[in-house]
Amino acid sequence: NAGVMQNPRHLVRRRGQEARLRCSPMKGHSHVYWYRQLPEEGLKFMVYLQKENIIDESGMPKERFSAEFPKEGPSILRIQQVVRGDSAAYFCASSLQTSRTTNQETQYFGPGTRLLVL
Amino acid sequence: DAKTTQPTSMDCAEGRAANLPCNHSTISGNEYVYWYRQIHSQGPQYIIHGLKNNETNEMASLIITEDRKSSTLILPHATLRDTAVYYCIVSVTSGNTPLVFGKGTRLSVIA
Repeated sequence: NAGVMQNPRHLVRRRGQEARLRCSPMKGHSHVYWYRQLPEEGLKFMVYLQKENIIDESGMPKERFSAEFPKEGPSILRIQQVVRGDSAAYFCASSLQTSRTTNQETQYFGPGTRLLVL
Repeated sequence: DAKTTQPTSMDCAEGRAANLPCNHSTISGNEYVYWYRQIHSQGPQYIIHGLKNNETNEMASLIITEDRKSSTLILPHATLRDTAVYYCIVSVTSGNTPLVFGKGTRLSVIA
């Protein structure tokens, strides 16, 4: 039973380039979350998506960042025109559909993508 | 901001029980207590969660006080591989909501 998968694990970009981070949720999970961890800091929520819908993007920077979770394929976090301050570890988590009778909302995390902007 | 307070760091001798405290005095009735850990720079690993009853699984035990204002995560026989940052998080489960991570407790297991 494969866990959450993220790729690439490491990504190096020069300032001004685009970064695309991919996340495949656990089998059967339809909810995806993206978190960012700056060096020596805790994880910060960025965006929460269900299939084809953005549910909560309150943690996303207003510019250059976007996310999608298409009907088919992985979730994508896209960062346009990267700057050095975008260097961080980006973690994806997934969870099952909400159920009121059983607690199925536990989030399981992937290994992360470490982005380095030169 | 995180709704929990944890000690910044703790040490534990290998083979001994590690008891990690967490205060969550403003917890609401519909909020669970979740524990995750992050080993070095890996992705956070789910450990355990609970509402008001004590919980145990293959990794740890969770003891929640009767008033639910604090809890303790217990690793019964700590090993060197348990060295990590441990995060205590309160989260509603009436829907899928983002987790709010604080600074956690850095547990060092010493041989």
